Amino acid sequence: TQLLEQSPQFLSIQEGENLTVYCNSSSVFSSLQWYRQEPGEGPVLLVTVVTGGEVKKLKRLTFQFGDARKDSSLHITAAQPGDTGLYLCAGDSQGAQKLVFGQGTRLTINP
Amino acid sequence: SAVISQKPSRDICQRGTSLTIQCQVDSQVTMMFWYRQQPGQSLTLIATANQGSEATYESGFVIDKFPISRPNLTFSTLTVSNMSPEDSSIYLCSVVTGGNQPQHFGDGTRLSIL
Repeated sequence: TQLLEQSPQFLSIQEGENLTVYCNSSSVFSSLQWYRQEPGEGPVLLVTVVTGGEVKKLKRLTFQFGDARKDSSLHITAAQPGDTGLYLCAGDSQGAQKLVFGQGTRLTINP
Repeated sequence: SAVISQKPSRDICQRGTSLTIQCQVDSQVTMMFWYRQQPGQSLTLIATANQGSEATYESGFVIDKFPISRPNLTFSTLTVSNMSPEDSSIYLCSVVTGGNQPQHFGDGTRLSIL
């Protein structure tokens, strides 16, 4: 069974601080997605990474895919209360678009 | 991206009953999936809904408990059968619009069993 270990599971920081969320596995993924989920809604896609070593930026969010395509990170610069939510990484290992999800990181940004 | 509508958005049901959840997409999609998200947890794939044929279930999920239909390229249903309190979860459908596109999710159905 493929597993994605996501850490930390909970993070509460002050507005303006930086943070990094990690997603690690012993398996190779053909692609990896990051989603954000807010209460009462479904997960919303933030980014897809497919190439080892790839870095993508989305405003204050920076996503990196590991060289071996086994791990990924999400870095948020100058966090804002609007960044609060559940962040989920999800990997597709078989190219069949069946996703394995990490446990999620519940992020709270305090004003 | 595709607009995905799930109905009902929430329900409270008695144990032993069954509930059918609908997932409607505003355009044809190549793949549809059903996930379960237990309280405070991440998502677990239940099955891939195959158009015109039986769904493909993941380990730990069976057709008798979670029958799935997908009669066309825009619609699917998931039934949660003979419900018990352990079935209280959010049930989400997701779709792939084509090729190597990522999955997009509906807003889910919040199900509570008394």
